[in-house]
Amino acid sequence: AQSVTQLGSHVSVSEGALVLLRCNYSSSVPPYLFWYVQYPNQGLQLLLKYTSAATLVKGINGFEAEFKKSETSFHLTKPSAHMSDAAEYFCAVSENTGNQFYFGTGTSLTVIP
Amino acid sequence: GAGVSQSPRYKVAKRGRDVALRCDSISGHVTLYWYRQTLGQGSEVLTYSQSDAQRDKSGRPSGRFSAERPERSVSTLKIQRTEQGDSAVYLCASSYSNRGQLNEKLFFGSGTQLSVL
Repeated sequence: AQSVTQLGSHVSVSEGALVLLRCNYSSSVPPYLFWYVQYPNQGLQLLLKYTSAATLVKGINGFEAEFKKSETSFHLTKPSAHMSDAAEYFCAVSENTGNQFYFGTGTSLTVIP
Repeated sequence: GAGVSQSPRYKVAKRGRDVALRCDSISGHVTLYWYRQTLGQGSEVLTYSQSDAQRDKSGRPSGRFSAERPERSVSTLKIQRTEQGDSAVYLCASSYSNRGQLNEKLFFGSGTQLSVL
């Protein structure tokens, strides 16, 4: 069985500060892992994905995430928050080629000027 | 139930046929979305409905996609005259709040994989 847990449903950071959004997963097979962002009134946008290549994955908009098998984690980070980063972020896991996705409940990021 | 569930898990359809995918959302949720998702390209919103609207708003210009909501917590996505390009994972999501509301919280189903031959 697969599942995803996102710790913290709401995260607030100051503009220019480090962004850290946490994601832990459970999977009985090597997982594919994803981070998505959703802005109001828009669909999900893929930020980055891990598919068993490099454990440090770089995505769009300056985001990156590191796959840590020992910790079953895939936390999302960005060195310096921008106001435009305020959105809802979802972590998701898939067991193979992505025919089933298991989403976390999302983390709402607020950026304080 | 405890979460959003979708059925069937897998669907194979012959090109040109109509298909229907079901979503059972969480009791009390107001807004219900259908997304189409591909592994490499993320997702797009196909349609959504709010409150008691039985007919959903379709974001697809071709009009082949529509959704009905026969019960408040049930939605059926209908795809007419399927094309091979419709092969994807179709995700359903629901929320307690109206679409676009600040801090809207979405709960996703695990998806239906549609393969059009």
